[in-house]
Amino acid sequence: DSGVTQTPKHLITATGQRVTLRCSPRSGDLSVYWYQQSLDQGLQFLIQYYNGEERAKGNILERFSAQQFPDLHSELNLSSLELGDSALYFCASSTGGREPSYEQYFGPGTRLTVT
Amino acid sequence: AQKVTQAQTEISVVEKEDVTLDCVYETRDTTYYLFWYKQPPSGELVFLIRRNSFDEQNEISGRYSWNFQKSTSSFNFTITASQVVDSAVYFCALSESRGGNTPLVFGKGTRLSVIA
Repeated sequence: DSGVTQTPKHLITATGQRVTLRCSPRSGDLSVYWYQQSLDQGLQFLIQYYNGEERAKGNILERFSAQQFPDLHSELNLSSLELGDSALYFCASSTGGREPSYEQYFGPGTRLTVT
Repeated sequence: AQKVTQAQTEISVVEKEDVTLDCVYETRDTTYYLFWYKQPPSGELVFLIRRNSFDEQNEISGRYSWNFQKSTSSFNFTITASQVVDSAVYFCALSESRGGNTPLVFGKGTRLSVIA
């Protein structure tokens, strides 16, 4: 168990809908990352938050957005869903305190199926 | 731009055989970090090892060993005496330094099947 939690585990929804994925980082971790794993694109970085602020952006679509709340949990919002958005979405966390951390610990993922 | 290449898409071995998973990376940074993660059939991503670019010493952890060679930009992973429980997809990843806490760039992964 990595200590990173993600809900829900599975999500099935229709095209055009909007969903929210939730992530709670390991206790004490300030950095949260979102990654998408799909068959054709592999594991891709979407966005990173550090202590509530956006830190880095990857291949994130404009239809997707995220935020990190004061209690450090994060939410990834996916809107106007398309069939191609079906994927496994991972959240990861790392410390990011005074001591830099390089390992990222991943949650179990949310499997999104768009029908 | 950073890039990680895992040329072996799938490998199948018989239990107790040794197997090496290849990883080649590209980066312009002089300081960077390399990682291996394991993704078993259950789907989670499990951290295995981190290596920084200044430390070329090989590492051994039980049946696992890693060979980092800067001259060939490779960070290969060997499993000795493989077991069925080693069956998984293995990902090599790279991150730049920038003081830590930077996103990972993953390779496409190598699916390892260990047959009893």
